Amino acid sequence: KAGVTQTPRYLIKTRGQQVTLSCSPISGHRSVSWYQQTPGQGLQFLFEYFSETQRNKGNFPGRFSGRQFSNSRSEMNVSTLELGDSALYLCASSNGQSSYNSPLHFGNGTRLTVT
Amino acid sequence: TQLLEQSPQFLSIQEGENLTVYCNSSSVFSSLQWYRQEPGEGPVLLVTVVTGGEVKKLKRLTFQFGDARKDSSLHITAAQPGDTGLYLCAGARGNTPLVFGKGTRLSVIA
Repeated sequence: KAGVTQTPRYLIKTRGQQVTLSCSPISGHRSVSWYQQTPGQGLQFLFEYFSETQRNKGNFPGRFSGRQFSNSRSEMNVSTLELGDSALYLCASSNGQSSYNSPLHFGNGTRLTVT
Repeated sequence: TQLLEQSPQFLSIQEGENLTVYCNSSSVFSSLQWYRQEPGEGPVLLVTVVTGGEVKKLKRLTFQFGDARKDSSLHITAAQPGDTGLYLCAGARGNTPLVFGKGTRLSVIA
């Protein structure tokens, strides 16, 4: 079974630009979560989608948005990039509605650098 | 305020030594998960503990969930260089998103 695939792996953008990151979950998984990982803050929750519906949203500004498609693939978008958005963005899928009994399977992330 | 505090933040030990890392909170969790993340990769699940007082073993790794389900520990016996990585604990509460600690970065020197 293929794992979670995130594209691209690396991205360099300039302040003020926007970026779209893509995530393909494990086949059959309907839940997709996004996390931002930085050395100072660790993993911070961005959003969670289940069957195309956003179920939870983290404490990030409105510049961060996401969506999930009918095939469970997900994208996240960051507009008006700031230097502080430089981070590793991790996508994770699970086969249940709750991470209580459905652990997360992570992709290898997209490393975003904003200059 | 970090909901889950992990300690120590960094740990560098010699091959063959034992170590324990801790994950503490003032909140109660339904379950606690431990992940290991290696450079350039995403976190990989090691274990999930669900019951207060539960102990799970994974080869040389022993995981314990506190009786009150507020804390957990990971003990590694006879550490090997392959154990090097970032160890993350994550707490689950009902249908809310997993909350992660900042991690313990372990380096095992041959």
